[in-house]
Amino acid sequence: QKEVEQNSGPLSVPEGAIASLNCTYSDRGSQSFFWYRQYSGKSPELIMFIYSNGDKEDGRFTAQLNKASQYVSLLIRDSQPSDSATYLCAVTSGYSTLTFGKGTMLLVSP
Amino acid sequence: DTGVSQDPRHKITKRGQNVTFRCDPISEHNRLYWYRQTLGQGPEFLTYFQNEAQLEKSRLLSDRFSAERPKGSFSTLEIQRTEQGDSAMYLCASTDVRDTQYFGPGTRLTVL
Repeated sequence: QKEVEQNSGPLSVPEGAIASLNCTYSDRGSQSFFWYRQYSGKSPELIMFIYSNGDKEDGRFTAQLNKASQYVSLLIRDSQPSDSATYLCAVTSGYSTLTFGKGTMLLVSP
Repeated sequence: DTGVSQDPRHKITKRGQNVTFRCDPISEHNRLYWYRQTLGQGPEFLTYFQNEAQLEKSRLLSDRFSAERPKGSFSTLEIQRTEQGDSAMYLCASTDVRDTQYFGPGTRLTVL
């Protein structure tokens, strides 16, 4: 049974701070890792993907992957109130389905 | 708009009725996925297609659920004899060559 674990939150940070979201996964064969943002009542929107160990930066977002520890994280710098949403971590093993965590709710206060 | 589209966006039905949802993927994407999401949970995989072939089905997909993708273009998901437990958001996604999944807006089903 492939599992993806996330802290449900809410994670509360003040505007301008760094938000750190974490995710662990059980399947060592996982190859691709994704972060989706989901606003209430909306569908998931892709934020970042990462395939290799290390960091990947895209604007204010940085994804970090450590396959040995089976750990993925997402850092959001200069957090804005518009970043308030649920962040879903998802993993897949090659051409396969996505296994999602339950998501972490992020609240950014002005 | 070149994204994934789904129709209808909302569906309210009475228990026992049949419902059908449609998904139109991004045109150059040949893999299409259906997921179901309930409140407080992440999306759960239901089934997926490579072109017109249905390659994998989840145990969540009971006999009351059927999906098709004729001609490898749009896909339909039918639920027969709906139950209150079927109330959820039904999400469709299609993938690019890098196997990155892009989601449609979803169909929210409410079974009364």
